[in-house]
Order: sequence, then C-alpha cells, then structure tokens
Amino acid sequence: RKEVEQDPGPFNVPEGATVAFNCTYSNSASQSFFWYRQDCRKEPKLLMSVYSSGNEDGRFTAQLNRASQYISLLIRDSKLSDSATYLCVVRDTGGFKTIFGAGTRLFVKA
Amino acid sequence: SQTIHQWPATLVQPVGSPLSLECTVEGTSNPNLYWYRQAAGRGLQLLFYSVGIGQISSEVPQNLSASRPQDRQFILSSKKLLLSDSGFYLCAWSGALNEKLFFGSGTQLSVL
Repeated sequence: RKEVEQDPGPFNVPEGATVAFNCTYSNSASQSFFWYRQDCRKEPKLLMSVYSSGNEDGRFTAQLNRASQYISLLIRDSKLSDSATYLCVVRDTGGFKTIFGAGTRLFVKA
Repeated sequence: SQTIHQWPATLVQPVGSPLSLECTVEGTSNPNLYWYRQAAGRGLQLLFYSVGIGQISSEVPQNLSASRPQDRQFILSSKKLLLSDSGFYLCAWSGALNEKLFFGSGTQLSVL
C-alpha cells in the first residue's frame, strides 16, 4: 500500500463546477497535512494546510478525518486557472519525511 | 521575506558526466533543506534532507550525493550520471519541524 494515495484523475469539469479530491494516508502517526498545486513543469506551490477542524480559503475547503486517515479538498465555482495537478502531502511525526501523493490532474474547461 | 534560488533551470548532460546542482535560501537561518526528484508523470521522491551544516540524510540509495557546506546552501552532486537520473529536481526548505515546504523553481535534467 502506498503511503499517500490520491484519486487517479484526470478530472474534467466545466467552469463553475464543484469538484472534490480525496486522499488517504497509511501512517496513523502523521502530524501535518497539506494540499499543494503544481502547474506543468513548475514547482509545487502550497495551496493550503489541512487542520482537524476543517478549513476554508476562498473557494477552497480542506478537511481531515484522522480516524479514517482521509483528507479531502473541495473546489467550488471552478475557474479555468484552477487547471493543474493537486498534490496531497503528509509529514510524519519527526517532521523531516514529507510524503507526496502522485497527484490528481484537474482540467477546467470553458 | 524568505526566498529560495535554484539553478540551472535546464540541464542536458551526457551519460557518465558529473553533476552539480546548487540551491540557496535567503531570509532565514538554520532552515531544513531538501532535494526531491520528480520523474515524468510521477510523484515527488525525497532524495536527501539536511537539518544543519554537514548533516545529510539519504532517503534512497542512488547515484547521487548531497552536501551542505553553508547554512543556507545545499548542493546535489553526482560523479557519473546515468540515464535513470533524468528528471525534474526540486530543492525545498522548511522552518521548524512539521512546517510547510517551499520549493525552488526546479532543474529539468536530461541525461542522454
């Protein structure tokens, strides 16, 4: 089993749609969780941290379920500029080892 | 504010040639530094991390090595490149443990 698993994608959605990505992780002792966005041939950029209580940043909502070892990202009112690969990221208790999921590709079309 | 610089952006090297990629961080002290590799269409693989000058931890056995000669400088090297070393190499830094990572702009390495 992979340490971090994501929906394989790609997701093809029209502008204005709501889309949700899921991610599961295997290490129950993991401490920190993030979503990153990566454009083609570019470096990953932090989208948002994920907190146990759930958190929202504009059109983006992230949730964490520690019992199920499950992380989600919801994007509302999708824009063309949201087209990218979304990476689920988990850091272990020691803080040094950061595991990246393989990513979910999103295409938003006009 | 903190910035991370990584160069070169693109590199084409013949098999068997040496490699040196450099990364520097500005605006912070004693950062945790990382080297990742991303093969085409794949996820990021952690290669090395460093918590201080001269302190290097390797995550996977490979044809590469890393060094940290100064607090904010991290270097990725190889004595002889293999075809399988091709990929997108990313340097990153973080502050305290469990904090988020910030990436350099990456180096696309093609070994021919």
